[in-house]
Amino acid sequence: DTAVSQTPKYLVTQMGNDKSIKCEQNLGHDTMYWYKQDSKKFLKIMFSYNNKELIINETVPNRFSPKSPDKAHLNLHINSLELGDSAVYFCASSFANRVGEKLFFGSGTQLSVL
Amino acid sequence: AQKVTQAQTEISVVEKEDVTLDCVYETRDTTYYLFWYKQPPSGELVFLIRRNSFDEQNEISGRYSWNFQKSTSSFNFTITASQVVDSAVYFCALSEMYSGGGADGLTFGKGTHLIIQP
Repeated sequence: DTAVSQTPKYLVTQMGNDKSIKCEQNLGHDTMYWYKQDSKKFLKIMFSYNNKELIINETVPNRFSPKSPDKAHLNLHINSLELGDSAVYFCASSFANRVGEKLFFGSGTQLSVL
Repeated sequence: AQKVTQAQTEISVVEKEDVTLDCVYETRDTTYYLFWYKQPPSGELVFLIRRNSFDEQNEISGRYSWNFQKSTSSFNFTITASQVVDSAVYFCALSEMYSGGGADGLTFGKGTHLIIQP
Protein backbone atom coordinates (compact mmCIF):
# COMPACT_ATOMS: atom_id res chain seq x y z
CA ASP A 1 0.00 0.00 0.00
CA THR A 2 1.43 3.34 -1.06
CA ALA A 3 1.53 5.80 1.83
CA VAL A 4 1.63 9.01 -0.21
CA SER A 5 0.48 8.65 -3.78
CA GLN A 6 0.43 11.32 -6.40
CA THR A 7 -0.86 11.23 -9.94
CA PRO A 8 0.11 11.49 -12.66
CA LYS A 9 3.75 10.45 -12.51
CA TYR A 10 4.50 12.23 -15.77
CA LEU A 11 2.71 15.23 -17.22
CA VAL A 12 3.63 16.73 -20.58
CA THR A 13 1.66 19.73 -21.72
CA GLN A 14 1.76 22.89 -23.78
CA MET A 15 2.37 26.39 -22.49
CA GLY A 16 -0.79 28.14 -21.48
CA ASN A 17 -2.67 25.01 -20.49
CA ASP A 18 -4.19 24.34 -17.07
CA LYS A 19 -3.31 21.12 -15.29
CA SER A 20 -3.78 19.43 -11.94
CA ILE A 21 -1.72 17.04 -9.86
CA LYS A 22 -3.50 14.94 -7.27
CA CYS A 23 -2.10 13.74 -3.96
CA GLU A 24 -3.52 11.39 -1.40
CA GLN A 25 -2.07 10.00 1.82
CA ASN A 26 -3.38 7.04 3.77
CA LEU A 27 -1.22 7.58 6.84
CA GLY A 28 -3.79 9.51 8.83
CA HIS A 29 -1.54 12.57 8.83
CA ASP A 30 -2.83 16.05 9.55
CA THR A 31 -0.35 18.04 7.48
CA MET A 32 0.39 17.93 3.78
CA TYR A 33 2.88 19.78 1.59
CA TRP A 34 3.85 20.52 -1.96
CA TYR A 35 7.53 20.84 -2.85
CA LYS A 36 9.06 21.79 -6.17
CA GLN A 37 12.37 20.28 -7.33
CA ASP A 38 13.99 22.21 -10.14
CA SER A 39 16.38 20.97 -12.79
CA LYS A 40 19.32 21.47 -10.43
CA LYS A 41 17.64 19.20 -7.87
CA PHE A 42 16.90 22.06 -5.48
CA LEU A 43 13.87 21.24 -3.32
CA LYS A 44 11.75 24.12 -2.14
CA ILE A 45 8.52 24.17 -0.23
CA MET A 46 5.53 25.70 -1.98
CA PHE A 47 2.59 25.13 0.33
CA SER A 48 1.62 23.36 3.49
CA TYR A 49 -1.83 22.57 4.79
CA ASN A 50 -2.83 21.49 8.25
CA ASN A 51 -6.27 19.97 8.63
CA LYS A 52 -7.34 21.50 5.31
CA GLU A 53 -6.12 24.96 6.31
CA LEU A 54 -3.34 26.75 4.46
CA ILE A 55 -0.32 27.22 6.74
CA ILE A 56 2.51 28.12 4.41
CA ASN A 57 2.38 29.81 1.04
CA GLU A 58 5.90 30.54 -0.06
CA THR A 59 6.16 33.23 -2.75
CA VAL A 60 4.54 31.05 -5.35
CA PRO A 61 2.79 32.67 -8.33
CA ASN A 62 -0.96 32.77 -7.87
CA ARG A 63 -1.28 30.60 -10.96
CA PHE A 64 -0.64 27.79 -8.49
CA SER A 65 -3.64 26.98 -6.36
CA PRO A 66 -3.63 24.15 -3.86
CA LYS A 67 -6.90 22.61 -2.81
CA SER A 68 -7.47 20.35 0.16
CA PRO A 69 -10.95 18.78 0.10
CA ASP A 70 -10.11 16.79 3.22
CA LYS A 71 -7.00 16.21 5.26
CA ALA A 72 -6.05 13.12 3.26
CA HIS A 73 -5.92 15.00 -0.04
CA LEU A 74 -3.97 17.98 -1.30
CA ASN A 75 -4.25 18.70 -4.99
CA LEU A 76 -2.26 21.24 -6.95
CA HIS A 77 -3.85 23.12 -9.81
CA ILE A 78 -1.69 25.19 -12.13
CA ASN A 79 -3.18 27.75 -14.51
CA SER A 80 -1.57 29.15 -17.65
CA LEU A 81 1.46 26.91 -17.50
CA GLU A 82 4.82 28.46 -18.34
CA LEU A 83 8.09 26.92 -19.46
CA GLY A 84 9.61 27.70 -16.06
CA ASP A 85 7.04 25.53 -14.35
CA SER A 86 8.80 22.45 -15.68
CA ALA A 87 10.04 20.59 -12.63
CA VAL A 88 9.35 17.61 -10.42
CA TYR A 89 6.59 18.27 -7.90
CA PHE A 90 6.56 16.28 -4.70
CA CYS A 91 3.67 15.88 -2.37
CA ALA A 92 4.46 15.03 1.25
CA SER A 93 2.68 14.53 4.53
CA SER A 94 3.55 14.56 8.19
CA PHE A 95 1.78 13.55 11.33
CA ALA A 96 1.36 17.10 12.60
CA ASN A 97 2.34 20.68 12.03
CA ARG A 98 5.23 20.59 14.49
CA VAL A 99 8.92 21.18 14.41
CA GLY A 100 10.81 18.00 13.69
CA GLU A 101 8.05 16.07 12.02
CA LYS A 102 9.31 13.51 9.55
CA LEU A 103 7.97 14.06 6.07
CA PHE A 104 6.79 11.17 3.95
CA PHE A 105 7.10 11.93 0.26
CA GLY A 106 5.21 10.77 -2.78
CA SER A 107 7.17 9.52 -5.75
CA GLY A 108 6.96 12.84 -7.58
CA THR A 109 5.26 14.18 -10.70
CA GLN A 110 7.55 15.22 -13.51
CA LEU A 111 5.94 18.16 -15.26
CA SER A 112 7.26 19.14 -18.69
CA VAL A 113 5.89 22.29 -20.27
CA LEU A 114 6.59 22.55 -23.99
CA ALA B 1 22.11 33.33 3.24
CA GLN B 2 21.34 29.68 2.88
CA LYS B 3 19.98 27.98 5.95
CA VAL B 4 21.36 24.61 4.94
CA THR B 5 24.61 24.48 3.04
CA GLN B 6 25.93 21.41 1.34
CA ALA B 7 29.11 22.71 -0.19
CA GLN B 8 29.93 19.52 -2.08
CA THR B 9 27.91 19.52 -5.28
CA GLU B 10 29.27 16.21 -6.48
CA ILE B 11 31.56 13.56 -5.02
CA SER B 12 32.93 10.59 -6.92
CA VAL B 13 34.69 7.74 -5.17
CA VAL B 14 35.59 4.18 -5.95
CA GLU B 15 33.61 1.41 -4.34
CA LYS B 16 34.69 0.45 -0.82
CA GLU B 17 36.08 3.88 -0.06
CA ASP B 18 34.70 5.83 2.87
CA VAL B 19 33.01 9.11 2.02
CA THR B 20 31.74 12.02 4.13
CA LEU B 21 29.01 14.38 3.03
CA ASP B 22 29.10 17.76 4.73
CA CYS B 23 26.14 19.76 5.98
CA VAL B 24 26.25 23.13 7.70
CA TYR B 25 23.07 24.78 8.94
CA GLU B 26 21.97 28.11 10.27
CA THR B 27 19.14 28.78 12.71
CA ARG B 28 18.27 31.09 15.58
CA ASP B 29 16.00 28.54 17.21
CA THR B 30 17.20 26.51 20.18
CA THR B 31 14.82 23.71 19.24
CA TYR B 32 15.30 22.37 15.77
CA TYR B 33 15.75 19.11 13.93
CA LEU B 34 18.12 17.98 11.23
CA PHE B 35 17.43 15.35 8.62
CA TRP B 36 19.13 13.44 5.86
CA TYR B 37 17.21 12.16 2.86
CA LYS B 38 18.44 10.06 -0.04
CA GLN B 39 17.21 10.44 -3.61
CA PRO B 40 18.34 7.49 -5.74
CA PRO B 41 18.21 7.63 -9.55
CA SER B 42 14.63 6.36 -9.43
CA GLY B 43 13.67 9.74 -7.96
CA GLU B 44 11.87 9.02 -4.71
CA LEU B 45 12.94 10.69 -1.48
CA VAL B 46 13.98 8.25 1.21
CA PHE B 47 14.26 9.26 4.86
CA LEU B 48 17.56 8.31 6.49
CA ILE B 49 17.77 10.01 9.85
CA ARG B 50 16.33 12.70 12.11
CA ARG B 51 18.26 14.34 14.96
CA ASN B 52 17.03 16.96 17.41
CA SER B 53 19.10 19.87 18.60
CA PHE B 54 19.40 18.54 22.14
CA ASP B 55 20.92 15.25 21.16
CA GLU B 56 24.49 15.55 20.00
CA GLN B 57 25.28 11.87 20.20
CA ASN B 58 26.66 10.44 17.03
CA GLU B 59 24.61 7.74 15.41
CA ILE B 60 25.62 4.66 13.51
CA SER B 61 23.35 2.52 11.39
CA GLY B 62 25.20 -0.18 9.55
CA ARG B 63 27.59 1.49 7.13
CA TYR B 64 26.03 4.90 7.77
CA SER B 65 27.06 7.25 10.54
CA TRP B 66 26.22 10.82 11.42
CA ASN B 67 28.27 13.38 13.32
CA PHE B 68 26.26 16.24 14.81
CA GLN B 69 28.28 19.15 16.23
CA LYS B 70 26.39 22.19 17.46
CA SER B 71 29.62 24.10 18.03
CA THR B 72 30.23 24.15 14.30
CA SER B 73 26.55 23.91 13.23
CA SER B 74 27.32 20.81 11.26
CA PHE B 75 25.59 17.50 10.70
CA ASN B 76 27.86 15.39 8.55
CA PHE B 77 27.08 12.00 7.06
CA THR B 78 29.66 9.28 6.50
CA ILE B 79 29.25 6.15 4.44
CA THR B 80 31.80 3.49 5.24
CA ALA B 81 32.86 0.96 2.61
CA SER B 82 30.70 2.58 -0.04
CA GLN B 83 28.79 0.50 -2.55
CA VAL B 84 27.48 1.26 -6.01
CA VAL B 85 23.93 1.20 -4.63
CA ASP B 86 24.82 4.20 -2.47
CA SER B 87 24.95 6.33 -5.61
CA ALA B 88 22.29 8.98 -5.17
CA VAL B 89 21.69 12.61 -4.33
CA TYR B 90 21.77 13.15 -0.60
CA PHE B 91 19.93 16.03 1.01
CA CYS B 92 20.44 17.55 4.41
CA ALA B 93 17.41 19.40 5.78
CA LEU B 94 16.44 21.60 8.72
CA SER B 95 13.13 21.80 10.57
CA GLU B 96 12.63 24.92 12.68
CA MET B 97 9.82 27.04 14.03
CA TYR B 98 7.96 29.00 11.41
CA SER B 99 7.28 32.64 12.05
CA GLY B 100 3.59 31.82 12.30
CA GLY B 101 4.17 29.54 15.23
CA GLY B 102 3.97 26.20 13.49
CA ALA B 103 6.56 24.23 11.66
CA ASP B 104 7.56 25.13 8.16
CA GLY B 105 8.20 21.68 6.87
CA LEU B 106 11.77 21.09 5.84
CA THR B 107 14.33 23.49 4.44
CA PHE B 108 16.61 21.50 2.21
CA GLY B 109 20.20 22.00 1.21
CA LYS B 110 21.01 21.84 -2.48
CA GLY B 111 22.07 18.24 -2.24
CA THR B 112 25.29 16.33 -2.88
CA HIS B 113 25.40 14.00 -5.84
CA LEU B 114 27.36 10.95 -4.75
CA ILE B 115 28.76 8.70 -7.43
CA ILE B 116 30.21 5.37 -6.42
CA GLN B 117 32.26 3.84 -9.18
CA PRO B 118 32.72 0.07 -9.34
